[in-house]
Amino acid sequence: QVQLVESGGDMVQPGRSLRLSCAASGFTFSNYMMHWVRQAPGKGLEWVALISLEGTKQYYADSVKGRFIISRDNSKNTLYLQMYGLTAEDTAVYYCARTISSSTGLGGCWGQGTLVTVSS
Amino acid sequence: QTVVTQEPSFSVSPGGTVTLTCGLSSGSVSTSHHPTWYQQTPGQAPRTLIYSTNGRSSGVPERFSGSILGSKAALTITGAQADDESHYYCVLYVGSGIWVFGGGTKVTVL
Repeated sequence: QVQLVESGGDMVQPGRSLRLSCAASGFTFSNYMMHWVRQAPGKGLEWVALISLEGTKQYYADSVKGRFIISRDNSKNTLYLQMYGLTAEDTAVYYCARTISSSTGLGGCWGQGTLVTVSS
Repeated sequence: QTVVTQEPSFSVSPGGTVTLTCGLSSGSVSTSHHPTWYQQTPGQAPRTLIYSTNGRSSGVPERFSGSILGSKAALTITGAQADDESHYYCVLYVGSGIWVFGGGTKVTVL
């Protein structure tokens, strides 16, 4: 079945870096754009980033632009989020999500999330 | 900066109907914003209910429907059930690859 599994979440100190991964299965990964969405504890959902089918175009929320990099490896069916300069405001559960059709929509499938905690 | 607005909370009686809305701080919501609605219970990943204004995701009961009402996107729950008590979020595509979530609506069924 269609499945997304995130990993890489951890507790890190402010200013440090972290890379999240999202392993996809059950569908043709290269046929779908992919999103990252996060949710701070007790807060709502926040869209983070979107990547094109071949990984050549990336789009970011202002809150992460210049600090986060979304990428993908279609040969490994894996999506990544490289995060630099982490602050307490980046503490959240990070979800990867597939587009609904090939290049539109958000939420054709969701992962279970991975927790990132930024604290000294 | 684009802000997507949702009612903070709503109460509905079992069997009743409730309509949640999703608006833009500036301008009207249209189908080109691909309004999408999610249900989320605590500790769980979001569940996509409605996509592209009124497309119902697989397995979603027919009591959930989406539309454009006036200048906003809307999610209507007709015949609310106890397990519809949850948080509901909308998201809008605002162009140039950017998506913005609303703050969410907590629905209580009582």
